[in-house]
Amino acid sequence: AQSVAQPEDQVNVAEGNPLTVKCTYSVSGNPYLFWYVQYPNRGLQFLLKYITGDNLVKGSYGFEAEFNKSQTSFHLKKPSALVSDSALYFCAVRDMRSSNTGKLIFGQGTTLQVKP
Amino acid sequence: NAGVTQTPKFQVLKTGQSMTLQCAQDMNHEYMSWYRQDPGMGLRLIHYSVGAGITDQGEVPNGYNVSRSTTEDFPLRLLSAAPSQTSVYFCASSPKDRQVAQYFGPGTRLLVL
Repeated sequence: AQSVAQPEDQVNVAEGNPLTVKCTYSVSGNPYLFWYVQYPNRGLQFLLKYITGDNLVKGSYGFEAEFNKSQTSFHLKKPSALVSDSALYFCAVRDMRSSNTGKLIFGQGTTLQVKP
Repeated sequence: NAGVTQTPKFQVLKTGQSMTLQCAQDMNHEYMSWYRQDPGMGLRLIHYSVGAGITDQGEVPNGYNVSRSTTEDFPLRLLSAAPSQTSVYFCASSPKDRQVAQYFGPGTRLLVL
């Protein structure tokens, strides 16, 4: 079965420190992977994606993610966290089982708390 | 472009009432979908559509109906609301190309008493 796991419900970091939000996946074939961010009482905003090519993907707001095929992981990273990065982060993978859908399979989400 | 719009933003229903959550997009996207978000469970797919006149069930379709008469609109109908349907509902759209990210609406917060 295709699935996405975010093993941490919450990640706490101090402002200025590097942050990592973890994501692992299980899919058949090559994965299309996405990270979204949700600020309080808002919809989901796209951050970045991995489709193919360079394993290090750069996205919005200084975020990047590293695709690791052998570990089936797609961890979200940022070199220096900001208080304004505090939000709920979702990892997602495209459902590749059907050729005519764009379905996304989401992880359960990780709350990032950045403290001053 | 307005992107993906949803109405209403917030709604309170009594058990057994019916209602329709509206979703519209102005990007000419073929693919549209409805998710519900519950604490600790991420987003779960309710129904989706790959084009006008074509809909299919997602992961949690029971108690919900959809239709897609136009490319722009994808309403979600609650036939007889239950407290278990208390949730935040998100509509999303994207082109058919699976390499392109989905665009999400701002959400509808639904409380069923």
